[in-house]
Amino acid sequence: GNSVTQMEGPVTLSEEAFLTINCTYTATGYPSLFWYVQYPGEGLQLLLKATKADDKGSNKGFEATYRKETTSFHLEKGSVQVSDSAVYFCASRLKAAGNKLTFGGGTRVLVKP
Amino acid sequence: DTAVSQTPKYLVTQMGNDKSIKCEQNLGHDTMYWYKQDSKKFLKIMFSYNNKELIINETVPNRFSPKSPDKAHLNLHINSLELGDSAVYFCASSHGTGTYEQYFGPGTRLTVT
Repeated sequence: GNSVTQMEGPVTLSEEAFLTINCTYTATGYPSLFWYVQYPGEGLQLLLKATKADDKGSNKGFEATYRKETTSFHLEKGSVQVSDSAVYFCASRLKAAGNKLTFGGGTRVLVKP
Repeated sequence: DTAVSQTPKYLVTQMGNDKSIKCEQNLGHDTMYWYKQDSKKFLKIMFSYNNKELIINETVPNRFSPKSPDKAHLNLHINSLELGDSAVYFCASSHGTGTYEQYFGPGTRLTVT
C-alpha cells in the first residue's frame, strides 16, 4: 500500500536555526511527493513538490529532494523565522492509487524569537 | 475572492443530530474532495467527486453522504452524529483527477457533544 511517515513533533527552534523534518514513503511504484503547510486556523497550502527521483522542490527558502534510494523527501530550511511556525505535512500521490493524496501525520514546528 | 470556501467555520452539535457542511470553489475546477483531520492532526481523504460523479469513497460510514449539485459545490451531510465525528473537515478542489495541485478550504471544526 501507499503510506507516508514523518517525524513527530513538536519541533521547537529559535529564529535563524536550521530546520529538518524527516519524511519517508512506501509505495508500489513511484509517487509524486509533496510538502503542505498549515498555518494556525487555516487550511493546507502546497509548499513544494517533486514528481520524480532526484527532483528538488523549493519554495520560500524550503527545499526537499526526492530520494528514491532511501524513499525519503526530507524538508529543510536554513534559517527559520517566527512566521514559519505551522504544521507541516508530507504527502504522496500515486497514479495507480487513483491520484489521491496520502498524508503523513504532520509535524508541528514552533519558532521562538 | 476566496478560492475554496466552507460554511460554517465552526459547528457544535449534539450526538444523534443531522448536520451539513457546505463547500464552494470559484476556481473553475472539476474535481472536489472532502478530508477529515482528527485531533492528532492526522489527515485522511473521505470522498472525491469529478464532474459531479463520485470517484473516491474511502470506506466512510454511510452516515456520511456527499452531494455535488454542480461542479463548483460539494456538500457533506452527516446523519446521526457521533462523538467520534468530532474533527476538522477540509474541502479541496483541483483541475482534474491527475497530477494537479489541490487547493484547500479553511476547514470546518465540528464538535459533537
